[in-house]
Amino acid sequence: ETGVTQTPRHLVMGMTNKKSLKCEQHLGHNAMYWYKQSAKKPLELMFVYNFKEQTENNSVPSRFSPECPNSSHLFLHLHTLQPEDSALYLCASSQDPGTGSYEQYFGPGTRLTVT
Amino acid sequence: GQNIDQPTEMTATEGAIVQINCTYQTSGFNGLFWYQQHAGEAPTFLSYNVLDGLEEKGRFSSFLSRSKGYSYLLLKELQMKDSASYLCAVRDRDYKLSFGAGTTVTVRA
Repeated sequence: ETGVTQTPRHLVMGMTNKKSLKCEQHLGHNAMYWYKQSAKKPLELMFVYNFKEQTENNSVPSRFSPECPNSSHLFLHLHTLQPEDSALYLCASSQDPGTGSYEQYFGPGTRLTVT
Repeated sequence: GQNIDQPTEMTATEGAIVQINCTYQTSGFNGLFWYQQHAGEAPTFLSYNVLDGLEEKGRFSSFLSRSKGYSYLLLKELQMKDSASYLCAVRDRDYKLSFGAGTTVTVRA
């Protein structure tokens, strides 16, 4: 238990569906992140929020839409996804995105399958 | 962008030592992290290096050479529970963290 929770843990959706992934951190951190993890590939950073402001959008397609209503909650809204979007989506948080040895704490991830 | 290389797989015997190498090329350098990820679970933080040298934490140690763009994670007295994927991650001058593809370590009895 890292203090970062994600729901749902598993999601199967069709290409025409709209769904949302939720992340919550109970660590009092200021920064939150979305990553995509595909089999045998490096973790890919998707979005970074620092104090609720988006500071990084790593060339992510617009079918992925993040939302950060406060420093503790992060959402990833999904619509008209493609089968190649099937992956493990990990949320993480950290005290500060930059300085010092502040490591990122990861949630357990949402295993997404697009059919 | 970043280029981070680490071996795909390693196998070792219980009680042995394994060294996982990581080489990187980055636009600036602001620290190197090692994470452990068991199958189906979240990555968990193992170590952080920002200066050259060895950082020791119990059975795990991590080494960094900034001039060579090189790090290694040393796992001593291997246990079955150490079977996992080990991720090398580098933070660049914009404080963005980039990950290698991970090294899957299998510990055999």
